[in-house]
This record gives sequence, structure tokens and C-alpha cells, in this order.
Amino acid sequence: GENVEQHPSTLSVQEGDSAVIKCTYSDSASNYFPWYKQELGKGPQLIIDIRSNVGEKKDQRIAVTLNKTAKHFSLHITETQPEDSAVYFCAANSNYQLIWGAGTKLIIKP
Amino acid sequence: DSGVTQTPKHLITATGQRVTLRCSPRSGDLSVYWYQQSLDQGLQFLIQYYNGEERAKGNILERFSAQQFPDLHSELNLSSLELGDSALYFCASSVAWQAQETQYFGPGTRLLVL
Repeated sequence: GENVEQHPSTLSVQEGDSAVIKCTYSDSASNYFPWYKQELGKGPQLIIDIRSNVGEKKDQRIAVTLNKTAKHFSLHITETQPEDSAVYFCAANSNYQLIWGAGTKLIIKP
Repeated sequence: DSGVTQTPKHLITATGQRVTLRCSPRSGDLSVYWYQQSLDQGLQFLIQYYNGEERAKGNILERFSAQQFPDLHSELNLSSLELGDSALYFCASSVAWQAQETQYFGPGTRLLVL
């Protein structure tokens, strides 16, 4: 069935540096790719999403890129701050459902 | 605050027991999703309801069941509980049923089975 793979499982970066999380998907019909952020003790929250008709989308320090040919999409966070520490989940739609990646724990070192 | 409420926040019970988790979606949202998140694990999609009808089913065990009521709140019933059912259970809601809809997650119910 449809699968979304997410890497790395843990990412530790120095405060102020950039962080990149990558996901690959298998369903060529997928056309919606959201990213959710889960802070400690809370439920996930949508931070950015991209649809297949665009290759990149930015929102302040966050950007998402999509390569439909290679079936992968990435989350880029620039100028990381302590409040970026969280677990990040990618997802892709398939057969009217969202298929979720396993999550990436992002650690921002002071 | 997402506008999604879940009760109770914490639940401790014994193996073999049955529990009910409750979710109230955001005002205006017709779709409700249930997820299970075990320690250091990702989100496992269990089931989705839309306007009272089951819309999609994920990796939900036969011991688990859910329903959505006419007022749109939803309940997840977990029976014959096992130690491995200990987890965080999240409810999420969205306006419509399509996968492209933003899902708004509640704070979760932490279940501990002893």
C-alpha cells in the first residue's frame, strides 16, 4: 500500500542553523503534502502544506519543496530558534486519506 | 487552542477493562479522526467519521470501535484492554471529509493500562 518515509528520525542542529527534513511517498496520485508540528504535551498542528501544482512554498522561516518526479518533498527551517524544538510529521494524501511519516524529532542546541 | 476538546485528559485502568474516550470537534467541523500515538512512535490513524457516518478506516483493532453522534461529538471505545494499548489517543477534526482538509488536533487522552 501507500507509504511515506521520513528521514531523519532525529535531527540536532545548532541554534541559528538550518534544518532539513525529507519525506518520500509512493503513490503517484498524491497531490497534497502537509507538515505538522507536535510540541511536547500537545497535539500536532499544521505549519505548512503544498499542493502538486507548485514546487515550493514559503512562510517566513519555513519552506517546503516538492519534487513530483522523484516523489519526495522536504521541510526547510532557517535560522532555527529554541521554539522550533518539536516532532515534525510529514504526510501525503492517498485514497482519500492522509498517510503519515514516522516523525522527526528536531533538537535545537543553544 | 485548536478548539477540539478531549476528555478525560488521563485514564488509568487495568487489563481486560473497557474505556470510552470522548471528543468534541471544532464548531462547524463535520469530520472527526482518531489517532493512536505510542511512546516514541508516530501517529497511527484509526478511523474517520464524517457527519455521523464512517468515512475511512485505518489500523483499528477489532477490540476498538467508534461512533459520531448527531451533535457531531465522537466516542472511541476500547475494550478487552491490553498493556500494549497504553498510548496517547488524539482526536482531530476538519471541516469536510477530504484528505486535503486541515486537521485540528485536540490535546489528547493519555491511557495507561496496568
